[in-house]
Amino acid sequence: AQSVAQPEDQVNVAEGNPLTVKCTYSVSGNPYLFWYVQYPNRGLQFLLKYITGDNLVKGSYGFEAEFNKSQTSFHLKKPSALVSDSALYFCAVRDSRAAGNKLTFGGGTRVLVKP
Amino acid sequence: EPEVTQTPSHQVTQMGQEVILRCVPISNHLYFYWYRQILGQKVEFLVSFYNNEISEKSEIFDDQFSVERPDGSNFTLKIRSTKLEDSAMYFCASRNNPNTQYFGPGTRLTVL
Repeated sequence: AQSVAQPEDQVNVAEGNPLTVKCTYSVSGNPYLFWYVQYPNRGLQFLLKYITGDNLVKGSYGFEAEFNKSQTSFHLKKPSALVSDSALYFCAVRDSRAAGNKLTFGGGTRVLVKP
Repeated sequence: EPEVTQTPSHQVTQMGQEVILRCVPISNHLYFYWYRQILGQKVEFLVSFYNNEISEKSEIFDDQFSVERPDGSNFTLKIRSTKLEDSAMYFCASRNNPNTQYFGPGTRLTVL
């Protein structure tokens, strides 16, 4: 079975400050990990993914995420947050051993960046 | 940049009625998915579809649900007899790249 936890329902950060959104996962095999962002009345937009290789992955809009196998985490980060980063962020995992390709999502973290 | 599109954006229906939610996946993609998100809850996998057949489905995807690719561009989700608890946002996704699924904007289904 595969699962994802996003321990924070909401993260508040001042514009220009670093932003971190936490994610931990559980899978039987190797994880394929994803971050998506949802703006109001919009779909889920792909930000970045980790499949294999370098533990630090870079994605769209200046976001990056670090895969940590020992801590089973894949936290999303941005060095300097913008007001426009305010949105709902979802972490998702797929188990490399699973026959299907379904994604399992975390509950989402709402990010509020204040001017 | 190609996008997944979905229609309608909002569908209101009476309990017991049939609804069809429509999706146009990205044109060269071969794998298609439906997910749903009940208000305030997680995004949940419903079904995946490849080569004109269901490749995986969740427990949620019971006999009331069906999917179809009626032509070369559309991918539909049909709910035969809607229940109140089917009210949710339904997302279509597609992929060609081995791992990345791209999502549409969703259809908000309201069952009265």
